[in-house]
This record gives sequence, C-alpha cells and structure tokens, in this order.
Amino acid sequence: DTGVSQNPRHKITKRGQNVTFRCDPISEHNRLYWYRQTLGQGPEFLTYFQNEAQLEKSRLLSDRFSAERPKGSFSTLEIQRTEQGDSAMYLCASSLESYEQYFGPGTRLTVT
Amino acid sequence: GENVEQHPSTLSVQEGDSAVIKCTYSDSASNYFPWYKQELGKGPQLIIDIRSNVGEKKDQRIAVTLNKTAKHFSLHITETQPEDSAVYFCAASPYSYGKLTFGQGTILTVHP
Repeated sequence: DTGVSQNPRHKITKRGQNVTFRCDPISEHNRLYWYRQTLGQGPEFLTYFQNEAQLEKSRLLSDRFSAERPKGSFSTLEIQRTEQGDSAMYLCASSLESYEQYFGPGTRLTVT
Repeated sequence: GENVEQHPSTLSVQEGDSAVIKCTYSDSASNYFPWYKQELGKGPQLIIDIRSNVGEKKDQRIAVTLNKTAKHFSLHITETQPEDSAVYFCAASPYSYGKLTFGQGTILTVHP
C-alpha cells in the first residue's frame, strides 16, 4: 500500500519564476486536498477536488495559484510569478469521501 | 468560518507521565475532529479521530474526548515515551465537507 506522494520534496526558486508541484493520492481516493503550512503554524486549506472537479478554493489562493486534477487521479499545483511570501510547505492529502484525510510528505518551497 | 484554538503551545513531560492537549472550535456545524502528529520534515500523520455522535474514543495509549455543548475536544496520551515527542495538531470539519481547519499546534517534548 503506497501513501500519498509529492514531488519534488524541495524546490528553491527565484522570485518571479513559475513552479509546479505534483501530488499522487492514495489509489481510489476520490477527494484530494491542498494545504499550505508556514513555520510554526497549522496547515491552511487551499483547495480541494472531488474526482476531477475543483469544488472550493480558499481566499488564500490568489490568481497566481492554479490547481488541476485531470482525470481525477494526480493533481498539480502551479504558482506563477512567485513571491517571497509563497515560501512554505505545500501539503497534499487524499480521502475516500469526506473523512480521514491522509497527508503526503509535502513540498518545501523556498523563494529567494 | 470555523476557528480552532489549541492549548498549550508547548508541553514538556517526563517519560511515563500523561499529556493533555485541548482545543476549542467555533462552528457548531463541525462534527469531525481528527488529531495529527507531525515530526520534523514530515507531513501530518493521522493518529486518532472522533465524530460528533460519540463522546470518547480510545486507541491504546491515546484517547480523545469531545464535549459538543462546550465546543471543545481534548487529546490524552498516557504513559508517554520519548518517541511521542512531536508537534500535535487538532482540526475540525463539518459533515460531508472535507475541509479541515487546524489549530496552531502543540510542541510535545517527552524527556527520558
């Protein structure tokens, strides 16, 4: 049984560059969530998908952020024109229906 | 929206002692309350959860209690061990809607 996987694990980029992260959920989990976690804080909800449909986006998700989940399998989170304030851990979780979300190891983004 | 407050922010205990972490929530629609353990450099790991139709749930050394009237829930760890040292997060979510709202976290240190 494989858990949620995320790639890359670490990303260092210069301000203004675009970055893309990938999340592979647990097989057959129909819900997929993205959260952001800054140092010393709990994860904050960004967006979630049920199958391929994006059902909600947080106000934290500015127009520089976009997420997709083609075919209801893996998901990508893209940040355009990165800013230093985007530096954080980006966490992906998946669940079967609404409960018991299982998190991946996260992608740590550093914007210099 | 939901607001989750978690206390204490840090907790230091001796090996073998008990540890208690408390959370309060604001949205009476919330009915699912998971607890996560996060070790350095890793994603949050689900350790126990409780739904609003029960007041207490136990799994070996870990227990969670829920008081819906007062809108608070607690994590109890008995016979603590050094490997219990980590950051613990509580969270809340409404029925059929998977978005989790997290508390600020508690850094638990268990001294041998």
